[in-house]
Amino acid sequence: EADIYQTPRYLVIGTGKKITLECSQTMGHDKMYWYQQDPGMELHLIHYSYGVNSTEKGDLSSESTVSRIRTEHFPLTLESARPSHTSQYLCASSGVSYNSPLHFGNGTRLTVT
Amino acid sequence: AQSVSQHNHHVILSEAASLELGCNYSYGGTVNLFWYVQYPGQHLQLLLKYFSGDPLVKGIKGFEAEFIKSKFSFNLRKPSVQWSDTAEYFCAVTPLNTGFQKLVFGTGTRLLVSP
Repeated sequence: EADIYQTPRYLVIGTGKKITLECSQTMGHDKMYWYQQDPGMELHLIHYSYGVNSTEKGDLSSESTVSRIRTEHFPLTLESARPSHTSQYLCASSGVSYNSPLHFGNGTRLTVT
Repeated sequence: AQSVSQHNHHVILSEAASLELGCNYSYGGTVNLFWYVQYPGQHLQLLLKYFSGDPLVKGIKGFEAEFIKSKFSFNLRKPSVQWSDTAEYFCAVTPLNTGFQKLVFGTGTRLLVSP
């Protein structure tokens, strides 16, 4: 069972609103990741973190921002949501070793109207 | 940059049929390979992985995959599927011994097993 939690599970929000997608893990993992997935498309990495106060942008450009103030918490924020942000957002974490498995949360399905 | 192709977007099988899902990748160097599965309403989870050694890898729930380096392929197989195998399957690749920040996913194959 995954010990990585994402809230909310579903979110429908109007254009221009600020939103924060929550992600927490209880495994003590240093590495955490945010992926974006559109229907029928690949998962694309948008942000990752190697530890507290470390954040990097992934391969897919995103207007979202992330923070890593605590090891277990890796929230993603959109300052002003737009319909183009409608997608599924998946959070994941992994241990230090390069061959430790990647654990995923259940995802947040965001719809911006 | 590496890429992953999963040619079958939707597969429908009857129970007890054999399964093979194709996965091809493009990358010039040595890679680590993964298959992930997402059951309806659940999170993505690791099915199996290849890092080195025997190119035939056994995973959970009777799945296996064979790495054929000359064909840049890592096809997933199961001799006899069950209704509970209905899920979406993702192939992924990353350069050898790098972290998941370089992990590239395919578009996924949605498998429906009818009872």
